[in-house]
Amino acid sequence: QVQLQGSGPGLVRPSQTLSLTCTVSGDSISSGSYFWTWLRQPAGKGLEWIGRIYASGSTNYNPSLKSRVTMSVDTSKNQFSLNLISVTAADTAVYFCARGGPYSFRDWFDPWGQGTLVTVSS
Amino acid sequence: QSVLTQPPSVSGAPGQRVTISCTGSSSNIGAPNAVHWYQQLPGAAPKLLIYGSNNRPSGVPDRFSGSKSGTSASLAISGLQAEDEADYYCQSYDNSLSSSVFGGGTKLTVL
Repeated sequence: QVQLQGSGPGLVRPSQTLSLTCTVSGDSISSGSYFWTWLRQPAGKGLEWIGRIYASGSTNYNPSLKSRVTMSVDTSKNQFSLNLISVTAADTAVYFCARGGPYSFRDWFDPWGQGTLVTVSS
Repeated sequence: QSVLTQPPSVSGAPGQRVTISCTGSSSNIGAPNAVHWYQQLPGAAPKLLIYGSNNRPSGVPDRFSGSKSGTSASLAISGLQAEDEADYYCQSYDNSLSSSVFGGGTKLTVL
């Protein structure tokens, strides 16, 4: 079965760059018509979609974060990554990676990684 | 505030049936775009519960069902069990925002 495992620093200084990686196991990131997604959830709050990337490298980002977000994919390592620049305390959240699809970008997310808590603080 | 609107909380006794509403607009649920539902247990990642408005992934009990009409959708849980106590989120796609969007989440308490 497909599993996703997020990893990265748990503490990021304000104005610095948040970098996370998601490693996919149980399936090739290049297979099928799936896409690979990042989402986040501030403590005690709801879910926010950050963006998605396809194995081809094509991306789509949440307009509210688009100016600060970059996603990339490394098919040789079966990984995809998130970079969020110029972070502030408002970016403190649990960050989830997930698989989307398989038919359309309007589809659901399944499965999800376990989540990585990232705290922005000096 | 969230693009999709859910009640903050619902509750029910064991064995009862509860419903959770998810209200959107003509640019998302009413577009029409499908609605998907997730269950999030405390401290865990969300788990897909319903996809394509009314389909259950394998392993999800048939006590869970989804429906959609116009610009709204609902998740129904029958035969409530203590293990159903969790947060529930609806998700759809918004054509105007070109983004996947979520409801604010509903906390289900089993009395």
